[in-house]
This record gives sequence, structure tokens and C-alpha cells, in this order.
Amino acid sequence: AQRVTQPEKLLSVFKGAPVELKCNYSYSGSPELFWYVQYSRQRLQLLLRHISRESIKGFTADLNKGETSFHLKKPFAQEEDSAMYYCAPKNMTSNTGKLIFGQGTTLQVKP
Amino acid sequence: DAGITQSPRYKITETGRQVTLMCHQTWSHSYMFWYRQDLGHGLRLIYYSAAADITDKGEVPDGYVVSRSKTENFPLTLESATRSQTSVYFCASSESNRVAQETQYFGPGTRLLVL
Repeated sequence: AQRVTQPEKLLSVFKGAPVELKCNYSYSGSPELFWYVQYSRQRLQLLLRHISRESIKGFTADLNKGETSFHLKKPFAQEEDSAMYYCAPKNMTSNTGKLIFGQGTTLQVKP
Repeated sequence: DAGITQSPRYKITETGRQVTLMCHQTWSHSYMFWYRQDLGHGLRLIYYSAAADITDKGEVPDGYVVSRSKTENFPLTLESATRSQTSVYFCASSESNRVAQETQYFGPGTRLLVL
């Protein structure tokens, strides 16, 4: 069964500290992976996609196929990073455009 | 962002009533999705549509009905609302299912309370 797990419901760090939001997936085949973010009073939006190998707002995400993980990292957290983060794998064997979202992790960056 | 809208933004209804949540997008995106967001469950897909007149079930379709007679609209109907359907509902659209261009654009959400 396809499954994505974000083990931390809440992650609280101080400003300037490194942050890592964990995402583990269980998928057949090789899914593509995305991170979406929802800031307070804003819409859910795409943060980054693995295929683009991009760094957005200082965040990067490394796909580890051996560990089936796609953790989101930032070396120095900022207060404006406080938000809800969702990991979302996409099943590449399907042609539907569907994403499966994890349970989400709330990141709280304290001053 | 204004390209995808949802109405109403807030709705209170009673158990057993029929409720329709509207979703409208102005981009002519082929793909549209309905999710519900609940504490502890994150976002779960209810229904999705690949084009007008093509819909399919997601993870949690029971108790919901969708239609897509026009590309720009994707209404979600709760046929007989139950308390367990109290949630925040998000509509999303996507232009393409090709990975490199895959971005789902989300509406502002509808908060539904079933009494």
C-alpha cells in the first residue's frame, strides 16, 4: 500500500537553529516527491519538488531511496518559516496527477 | 491565487442535510481535486477529476458526490451530512500530470461544521 509518514506533528526550534522535517514513504516503484507548505492565513502552496533539485527559501530536500525518505532541511530557521509542512509523493505508475499527502508537521520557530 | 475560489468559506449545517461546496478555477486546468483536512490525518483526497465529465474516487469518497460538467467548476456534495464530515475542505487544480510541471494550486478552503 502507498503510504507516507511524517512522524512529528510539531517541531519547535529556536531562530537560527537547523531544522529537519522528516518524511518517510512506502511506495511501489519510484515516486516523485514534493513538499507543500501552508503559512498562517495563506493557502497551501508548493514549496519544492525533488525533480527540480531546487532550494527554495533556504530549504532543500534530499531523496534517500535506500531509506525511502525525503526529509526537508534548512540550516538556519527563521521565524517566517513557521508553518504547516506536508510531504507529498506522487505515484509514477499512475497517470492521474494524484498526490498523497502526509499528516503534516507544524514547524514553530521561536525568537 | 485568485484563480481558484471556493464558496462558501464557512458553512454550518445539520446532520442529514445536503450541502454543496463550490469550486471554480479560471485557468482551464485539466485536473481538479477535493481534499479534507483533519487534525491527525493531514490532507486526504476525496475525489479528483482529470477533465470535464471524468471523475474518480480518492482515499475517502464515502458520503460525497462530485460532478464536472464544465472544466472550470468542480462542486462537491455531501448527500446527507454527518458529524464526521465536519472538516476543512480544500479544492485544488493542476494544469498537467507531468511531474516537472506538477503544481497543485489550492483554494482558500471551506470550513464546514455539521451539528
